Amino acid sequence: RKEVEQDPGPFNVPEGATVAFNCTYSNSASQSFFWYRQDCRKEPKLLMSVYSSGNEDGRFTAQLNRASQYISLLIRDSKLSDSATYLCVVILRSGNTGKLIFGQGTTLQVKP
Amino acid sequence: DTGVSQNPRHKITKRGQNVTFRCDPISEHNRLYWYRQTLGQGPEFLTYFQNEAQLEKSRLLSDRFSAERPKGSFSTLEIQRTEQGDSAMYLCASSSVGTTYEQYFGPGTRLTVT
Repeated sequence: RKEVEQDPGPFNVPEGATVAFNCTYSNSASQSFFWYRQDCRKEPKLLMSVYSSGNEDGRFTAQLNRASQYISLLIRDSKLSDSATYLCVVILRSGNTGKLIFGQGTTLQVKP
Repeated sequence: DTGVSQNPRHKITKRGQNVTFRCDPISEHNRLYWYRQTLGQGPEFLTYFQNEAQLEKSRLLSDRFSAERPKGSFSTLEIQRTEQGDSAMYLCASSSVGTTYEQYFGPGTRLTVT
């Protein structure tokens, strides 16, 4: 079983739509959680951290449910420029390596 | 440009040949990571350095793979006796110790083994 699982999609949505991505992680020792964004043929970049209390950054809202080992990302009012692959990422509690464990990514295509 | 740089950007090699990739991290970052990404998958951790010390290696890193960071600055990743299964994008990332979760990735080196 993969440590971080995501629905690969693709999610095809019209501009202005609200779309949600989910992610589950298997290791209860997971300590920190993030969403990275990867544009086609580009490197991954940090989008936002995910906190238990939930956090928002503009049109983006991230939620963490530790009991269910579940992470979500909500994008409101989708823009064409949101088209990308969204990678769910965890860091384990043990050690302090900063090793990022990535899911396979969910692809979003926003259509005009 | 003060971001992470990687060279070469593309490498095509024949099976059995050795290849070496270079990564230049952001200058003030003391942590450097190597990841491998295949099509349709997220990056997979290979190894990381804090300054010049290699502190962790993944089981993915077979004996044919070796990485160095001789002076705590740039790093090299060498693959000996390449196999077709080594074809992938090799990504380098760097971070500072205090914010290891925010890793800045380079553009990657795409390796094709024929």
